[in-house]
Amino acid sequence: AQRVTQPEKLLSVFKGAPVELKCNYSYSGSPELFWYVQYSRQRLQLLLRHISRESIKGFTADLNKGETSFHLKKPFAQEEDSAMYYCALSTGTGNQFYFGTGTSLTVIP
Amino acid sequence: EPEVTQTPSHQVTQMGQEVILRCVPISNHLYFYWYRQILGQKVEFLVSFYNNEISEKSEIFDDQFSVERPDGSNFTLKIRSTKLEDSAMYFCASSGRSPLHFGNGTRLTVT
Repeated sequence: AQRVTQPEKLLSVFKGAPVELKCNYSYSGSPELFWYVQYSRQRLQLLLRHISRESIKGFTADLNKGETSFHLKKPFAQEEDSAMYYCALSTGTGNQFYFGTGTSLTVIP
Repeated sequence: EPEVTQTPSHQVTQMGQEVILRCVPISNHLYFYWYRQILGQKVEFLVSFYNNEISEKSEIFDDQFSVERPDGSNFTLKIRSTKLEDSAMYFCASSGRSPLHFGNGTRLTVT
């Protein structure tokens, strides 16, 4: 079975502080991992994907196969980062996507 | 950049009525999905569709739900007899291989 776990439902940090949103997955094959962001009253948007190995809006995420984790990090949080963040896993079979329960990030000014 | 479009943006219906939510996926995408998000809760998978048939569905997607790709561009979600608990934001998504691209959603309110 595929499962994506985001242990923190809510996370608050002060502006300028580092932020880390945790994501762990379980999948027996080779998954593709994503982070999606949902700003207030907007659609889910792709933030980044592990195969791109890029930094978007200052966020990075490294796939750690040993720990089966794909934590999202940003060294200095900004107020505009306040949003809902979803970790997602895609399997190669049938192009299925599985979402975690989401973490609501609040950046305190 | 091409987008997934959904109509209407907001639909209000009475309990027991049928509703059809419409989506136009990105034109060269092959995989289509519906997700649901009850207010304040997580995004839940409903159904995926590929090659003109359902490829996977969740336990939420019971006999009251159906999907259709009536032509080359539209992808619809029908709820035959709406219940109060169907009130939610419904997101359509499409994908080539990956990643998912989401529409803006349709807010369904069942009264």
